[in-house]
Amino acid sequence: NAGVTQTPKFQVLKTGQSMTLQCAQDMNHEYMSWYRQDPGMGLRLIHYSVGAGITDQGEVPNGYNVSRSTTEDFPLRLLSAAPSQTSVYFCASSQSIGFRLYNEQFFGPGTRLTVL
Amino acid sequence: TQLLEQSPQFLSIQEGENLTVYCNSSSVFSSLQWYRQEPGEGPVLLVTVVTGGEVKKLKRLTFQFGDARKDSSLHITAAQTGDTGLYLCAGAVWETSGSRLTFGEGTQLTVNP
Repeated sequence: NAGVTQTPKFQVLKTGQSMTLQCAQDMNHEYMSWYRQDPGMGLRLIHYSVGAGITDQGEVPNGYNVSRSTTEDFPLRLLSAAPSQTSVYFCASSQSIGFRLYNEQFFGPGTRLTVL
Repeated sequence: TQLLEQSPQFLSIQEGENLTVYCNSSSVFSSLQWYRQEPGEGPVLLVTVVTGGEVKKLKRLTFQFGDARKDSSLHITAAQTGDTGLYLCAGAVWETSGSRLTFGEGTQLTVNP
């Protein structure tokens, strides 16, 4: 199993450009999510999905779109990149969301994005 | 939004020393997780605590969940250079749309030889 894979690993964009960060998992996990990590701010949830065809907003969704057409893939789209979106982006997946016991989230290696 | 505060934000110690990292909130969490992250990689789960007052041990690491399920601590005994990394706590809250994890800011631990 490859686990959670993310591409690209590094990306530089100019302000106003759009792009898609790819995320795939081969563990048949229902739950997938996108986080951004900034110094001193930990991981902040952008969007998440509890299954194919279902997505919802997290803490910082503005400027990002997601879709979940298959269980395996959960791409993150930046519509019009801004310097404030310079960050490290992590995709994560987990088997399901328990009521009290939160299952382990498996993280990808991250995409380091710079917006000039 | 539930806020999780970690302290200290940075910690630099010598090999063999003991240390404690704290994770505090005014919110009650269904469960709390601790992750460790190394440079250039994603976080990796260390432990999940569920019951108030619960203590879990992972070799030299001891995790405790507060009685009121609002706070947690990570204690490392006789730290080693391999313990160097970013330690993140994450609290789970049940919402109508499902559970959601809120992460703390992280504690960057450096263990010097």
